[in-house]
Amino acid sequence: DTEVTQTPKHLVMGMTNKKSLKCEQHMGHRAMYWYKQKAKKPPELMFVYSYEKLSINESVPSRFSPECPNSSLLNLHLHALQPEDSALYLCASSQVRDGNSPLHFGNGTRLTVT
Amino acid sequence: GENVEQHPSTLSVQEGDSAVIKCTYSDSASNYFPWYKQELGKRPQLIIDIRSNVGEKKDQRIAVTLNKTAKHFSLHITETQPEDSAVYFCAASGGYNKLIFGAGTRLAVHP
Repeated sequence: DTEVTQTPKHLVMGMTNKKSLKCEQHMGHRAMYWYKQKAKKPPELMFVYSYEKLSINESVPSRFSPECPNSSLLNLHLHALQPEDSALYLCASSQVRDGNSPLHFGNGTRLTVT
Repeated sequence: GENVEQHPSTLSVQEGDSAVIKCTYSDSASNYFPWYKQELGKRPQLIIDIRSNVGEKKDQRIAVTLNKTAKHFSLHITETQPEDSAVYFCAASGGYNKLIFGAGTRLAVHP
């Protein structure tokens, strides 16, 4: 069973669309992450939330907008994306953001931008 | 900032053989080193991790060794099985408590 749940599993969107990716965890973790993974590459950090506050933004373009409504939920709002944004988007959580806590990944959302 | 190099990029072994994947890191302050396994189309899953106060850790057929002086750590898989075939990523906790991933090793275990 996956302890971090992501929806949807697949998403196809046009460059003018607005869509959202959702992530949920019920492990009581206080740090949540968004990663982007291109084929045959490692996960690339986008955003980190710690205790529901944004603590890291890896210079991600503003067409990606994260939101953490509560300690269990993490959203990624998408608007005016480009075809090169097509990738697997992974959500992860850890007990705390101390660099020593294991990351638990969700199964990801495979995004295709047309 | 932290930089993690991983070798080899691909590794092909016969079932039953051992496999070794090596990583080096640059930030001497890094103190947490996890390994993730990612099967095709699936999420990365933690298989083993080690902290800087430990030199070696084992879990059944998997072991990780850490040499802090040389700033390198390695994953050892013994008695490989076809289900070990996957991409393996090493990582190191860099500055600002971020995990930095290596580029990955594609392991193929042939029956």
